Amino acid sequence: AQSVTQPDIHITVSEGASLELRCNYSYGATPYLFWYVQSPGQGLQLLLKYFSGDTLVQGIKGFEAEFKRSQSSFNLRKPSVHWSDAAEYFCAVGLSSNTGKLIFGQGTTLQVKP
Amino acid sequence: KAGVTQTPRYLIKTRGQQVTLSCSPISGHRSVSWYQQTPGQGLQFLFEYFSETQRNKGNFPGRFSGRQFSNSRSEMNVSTLELGDSALYLCASSFEGLREQYFGPGTRLTVT
Repeated sequence: AQSVTQPDIHITVSEGASLELRCNYSYGATPYLFWYVQSPGQGLQLLLKYFSGDTLVQGIKGFEAEFKRSQSSFNLRKPSVHWSDAAEYFCAVGLSSNTGKLIFGQGTTLQVKP
Repeated sequence: KAGVTQTPRYLIKTRGQQVTLSCSPISGHRSVSWYQQTPGQGLQFLFEYFSETQRNKGNFPGRFSGRQFSNSRSEMNVSTLELGDSALYLCASSFEGLREQYFGPGTRLTVT
């Protein structure tokens, strides 16, 4: 069955430090990959997506992610974290571009130290 | 452009009751998907509607149902509520399928 794993439940980084959130997926074909962010009491905001093409994708708020087929990974990165980045981050996989069904990872909570 | 709206934002119901949640997609969007978010199970796909037809369904009991109207607005209904149905229910809309899928703020359902 298709699945998404975010190995880190909770990560704490200092403001200004770099960030990498890990995401691994299990799927036979090339999936459609997404990163979403959720602030407390809010819905999900799309940070970036990968459908095809360049494996390094740029998103909003200075985030980027790299698709590595050999490692079945789609890790999210940011060179310098801001206090406002504190939130929960979800990696998701879509199995077909024709449906809205997404399979989500369990999420990673990011805490930013001043 | 207005975003995805969900009503009500908060709801408290008693076990055994039923509830209807509403989702208004972004204007022009034809696909609406529903998700349940709980601390234990995370985000789980409920179902997707496209042009008034259910296109995909997750692994939830028949107590969970939905529909979509001709203006693309969608409702989901949960009958015979159980304590475990307490969750944040999110809907997402897109013009078609996965592309540029936008989420609403959710409806927080508490079952007592």
